[in-house]
Amino acid sequence: EAQVTQNPRYLITVTGKKLTVTCSQNMNHEYMSWYRQDPGLGLRQIYYSMNVEVTDKGDVPEGYKVSRKEKRNFPLILESPSPNQTSLYFCASSQTRWGEAFFGQGTRLTVV
Amino acid sequence: TQLLEQSPQFLSIQEGENLTVYCNSSSVFSSLQWYRQEPGEGPVLLVTVVTGGEVKKLKRLTFQFGDARKDSSLHITAAQPGDTGLYLCAGAWFGSSNTGKLIFGQGTTLQVKP
Repeated sequence: EAQVTQNPRYLITVTGKKLTVTCSQNMNHEYMSWYRQDPGLGLRQIYYSMNVEVTDKGDVPEGYKVSRKEKRNFPLILESPSPNQTSLYFCASSQTRWGEAFFGQGTRLTVV
Repeated sequence: TQLLEQSPQFLSIQEGENLTVYCNSSSVFSSLQWYRQEPGEGPVLLVTVVTGGEVKKLKRLTFQFGDARKDSSLHITAAQPGDTGLYLCAGAWFGSSNTGKLIFGQGTTLQVKP
């Protein structure tokens, strides 16, 4: 079954404690991206990757890092989380940057 | 900045009613995708429209791409509680550098009451 898997689904952490949200896809897609979804603001892209070892900033990259060492995995790293990063996060993959996106189930992050 | 504006932002209707959601922009898109997101889940693609004026039907849902490929609409006939969710449009935009990207609208939250 074609899918994008994110972990964890829910996470509560404290300010400043580094965390990683994992994302894996099994469709051999070249393009992967991370979004955050906030009420009234819609989906905002954080980072994207066109291929292995190729990553670039999206619209709201501050406070986040990513890596793409393998085609299937695209982890999102928060080195020093702050309360304004409390949000619902989605990983997505697609064949191209403009193509049909397959989304993970989301990670609800709360930073206290 | 390329924007996709969806309207209305919120819609609460009774079961059996019809509704239309709009997705508008001043930019031209090569294609337009519609997604539905249910509570606690990620968005799932419903349909992609590619040609200006194209109409696609998915059971009680009708999607239309504007002739100029700047706007799109989603019409639901006889809405059911199972249609409840967030509806997102997303346009495939190619700028002057010809590098495409997907631009999402802010979404329309639909609640269908039994």
